[in-house]
Amino acid sequence: RKEVEQDPGPFNVPEGATVAFNCTYSNSASQSFFWYRQDCRKEPKLLMSVYSSGNEDGRFTAQLNRASQYISLLIRDSKLSDSATYLCVVNGNAGNMLTFGGGTRLMVKP
Amino acid sequence: ETGVTQSPTHLIKTRGQQVTLRCSSQSGHNTVSWYQQALGQGPQFIFQYYREEENGRGNFPPRFSGLQFPNYSSELNVNALELDDSALYLCASSLTGRLTDTQYFGPGTRLTVL
Repeated sequence: RKEVEQDPGPFNVPEGATVAFNCTYSNSASQSFFWYRQDCRKEPKLLMSVYSSGNEDGRFTAQLNRASQYISLLIRDSKLSDSATYLCVVNGNAGNMLTFGGGTRLMVKP
Repeated sequence: ETGVTQSPTHLIKTRGQQVTLRCSSQSGHNTVSWYQQALGQGPQFIFQYYREEENGRGNFPPRFSGLQFPNYSSELNVNALELDDSALYLCASSLTGRLTDTQYFGPGTRLTVL
């Protein structure tokens, strides 16, 4: 079983749609949680950190459920520029090692 | 941009050869981590260097080795290249090795092994 699991997609949605991604992690000792965005053939870029209380950044809302070891990302009012792969990432092992999920691909269509 | 640079951008090698990849960390950052990203997968942690010492290692064989220099730049060396080593190699720098520190990724080196 992978340490961080995501639905690979692709999620094909029209502009303006709301889309939600989910992720589960297996290491209950994980301490930090993130969503990264990766454009085709580019490096991952931090989208947002995820906190138990939930956090919002514009059209993006992230939520963490420690009891279920589950992380979510909600994107409202999707834009064409949101098309990318979204990587769920956890941190909590020795050496500040980031553990990535396989990524969920989002394609926003006009 | 993150201020993390990597060289070369692309590289083609043949099986059995050796390769050295380079990374310059963001100014003021003393920690560098290396990741391997195979096509269609998420990045996998190789190892991390903090103040010139290895500070954690993922599940990679000893033919993957590294160095960090006094200016905190870093090298990743891979010996006896195998076809499965073809991947995007990413380095990430962070202010320190603390769990709370954000890691900033460089643009990567795309390695093809023929």
